[in-house]
Amino acid sequence: DVKVTQSSRYLVKRTGEKVFLECVQDMDHENMFWYRQDPGLGLRLIYFSYDVKMKEKGDIPEGYSVSREKKERFSLILESASTNQTSMYLCASSPGPLNRWDTEAFFGQGTRLTVV
Amino acid sequence: GESVGLHLPTLSVQEGDNSIINCAYSNSASDYFIWYKQESGKGPQFIIDIRSNMDKRQGQRVTVLLNKTVKHLSLQIAATQPGDSAVYFCAETGTGFQKLVFGTGTRLLVSP
Repeated sequence: DVKVTQSSRYLVKRTGEKVFLECVQDMDHENMFWYRQDPGLGLRLIYFSYDVKMKEKGDIPEGYSVSREKKERFSLILESASTNQTSMYLCASSPGPLNRWDTEAFFGQGTRLTVV
Repeated sequence: GESVGLHLPTLSVQEGDNSIINCAYSNSASDYFIWYKQESGKGPQFIIDIRSNMDKRQGQRVTVLLNKTVKHLSLQIAATQPGDSAVYFCAETGTGFQKLVFGTGTRLLVSP
């Protein structure tokens, strides 16, 4: 079974703190993604990476950065956390492009981040 | 702009009934559509997918129907069980090969 593991289920951070959310996948997938999930808005793509050291902005990259130093690990960084970044963060991985017929995205269990 | 939406935010059914969850999409160029299930406290899990050159695809107890004329997608769950209670999302391929556009989700509640 594919496993996508996020390092924390729950986090509480203070405004202005630098926050790291870690994600590890064990299936040698090329692609990794970070989404945030908010009520009424669904899942929105923050950043994705299709290879080590490669990154692409998603729909809402402002206030975030990412790091992919190793294939299995994709980190989301909040440089200076703000209260509007309180959300559920979901990491996903896939073996290939998401619009390919035999490709699916596998999600982690999510990290619920609260910024106070 | 691109958008994927759901008609009903909450659907309540009795155990054993058939459930139908609907989704409207706006990008007529989308080639690929997926349904995900998200149980409480978990990440979304792939259920079934369908390509734009198909009208229907069946899985185990689930069927996805695609009507490209009216840009409508539906997920049918046969003999709904309490374990089917979850939030269901549709997603479509947006512009760009890596982009999935997700709907806001429908909560399915199954009563025994």
